[in-house]
Amino acid sequence: DAGITQSPRHKVTETGTPVTLRCHQTENHRYMYWYRQDPGHGLRLIHYSYGVKDTDKGEVSDGYSVSRSKTEDFLLTLESATSSQTSVYFCAISESSGPGGLYGYTFGSGTRLTVV
Amino acid sequence: GENVEQHPSTLSVQEGDSAVIKCTYSDSASNYFPWYKQELGKGSQLIIDIRSNVGEKKDQRIAVTLNKTAKHFSLHITETQPEDSAVYFCAASRGGGADGLTFGKGTHLIIQP
Repeated sequence: DAGITQSPRHKVTETGTPVTLRCHQTENHRYMYWYRQDPGHGLRLIHYSYGVKDTDKGEVSDGYSVSRSKTEDFLLTLESATSSQTSVYFCAISESSGPGGLYGYTFGSGTRLTVV
Repeated sequence: GENVEQHPSTLSVQEGDSAVIKCTYSDSASNYFPWYKQELGKGSQLIIDIRSNVGEKKDQRIAVTLNKTAKHFSLHITETQPEDSAVYFCAASRGGGADGLTFGKGTHLIIQP
């Protein structure tokens, strides 16, 4: 997807190990998000960022932490991976158009994470 | 918080027929309602969106309708084609990037040849 890349695209890791996923944007958008997608649940928000070093929790934040040291990068860390965190993870970026709502909400291609 | 319900979870239609996917939302303050299409192995792509000051919006074969009183909105695809086969997600937001989007659980649209 133009302007947003996720790495790695696929990863298999063992239970109990730490894992970091990276989202990189070239759009200079203010807002960045991490979602996970699971069958029967759709997309659920894990954490989001509204600026450098400004982050907040989403709906399913337990077991995850994030960091944003520069505008273009938003990292998602699983401190100690569990099998329940096997999922497809999507990063998204957006820029607010003010009171009227969002624009430029764009998704990355996803990272498929398997915890064994 | 916002809750978005999406139906049906799977929809199979004959090529050339119309498809309708429906969503309801709970937060009356939501004012932005996008629809996303996700093809296998790819991220979601915005296909159409509508804001609360508009009742209907069309883009070629795709249209979205919004009923704010009933708090529901629908995606209509006419003259369906094989390339329309995908998973479609509706979402709702109050606007303002920090709120993000609340998604429905998705509809798997299958176009039968």
